[in-house]
Amino acid sequence: VQLQESGPGLVKPSETLSLTCTVSRASFSNYYWTWIRQSAGMGLEWLGHVSASGSTTYNPSLLSRVTMSVDTSKNQFSLILTSVTAADTAMYYCARARGNYVLDYWGQGTLVTVSS
Amino acid sequence: DIQMTQSPSSLSASVGDRVTITCQASQDIRNNLNWYQQKPGKAPKLLIYDASNLETGVLARFSGSGSGTDFTFTFRSLQPEDIGTYYCQQYDKLPYTFGQGTKVEIK
Repeated sequence: VQLQESGPGLVKPSETLSLTCTVSRASFSNYYWTWIRQSAGMGLEWLGHVSASGSTTYNPSLLSRVTMSVDTSKNQFSLILTSVTAADTAMYYCARARGNYVLDYWGQGTLVTVSS
Repeated sequence: DIQMTQSPSSLSASVGDRVTITCQASQDIRNNLNWYQQKPGKAPKLLIYDASNLETGVLARFSGSGSGTDFTFTFRSLQPEDIGTYYCQQYDKLPYTFGQGTKVEIK
């Protein structure tokens, strides 16, 4: 199983961050497809997940700004975060969660910097 | 949100030492806790799930225990390749949260 994040590394303040995670050699069923970010200030932060059916659960701290979706035909799932600020600067990881929310496979991460 | 507090925040020990890290939850999380290892520049890697179960393929020199609010992660015999930062993660209540990490170094 492999996961690979892709998307812009630089986003301007107040604009929208958009990332995609491409999944190889794994079925989308029976897992939660998850986004996590890591910054010096906040450590590891769970952002939310999307299931194969498209149902989502988000961290309430981001609720008004975050959208996650899945495209099983492309073996991809996505993260959209609107109205970004410098506080959203972080390494963003996609990961697979199995069973009782065990994060068993992770992407290598992509650094997103919010700056003008 | 459930707060996860790890201690120590960093440690330095000798090769072969038995080393223990603790993780305390701000409320009862039963055994809904995982442990991850992160090496510099890499993504976290799952080591222990459900507080005490060793992930397939992970060397048996790591172990985990605990339930409720107090958990431990143990290196039975610390090795040079174990350097990195270790995180606990609870999945009992949304939003799922991580500890702040314990950085492990070799003396």
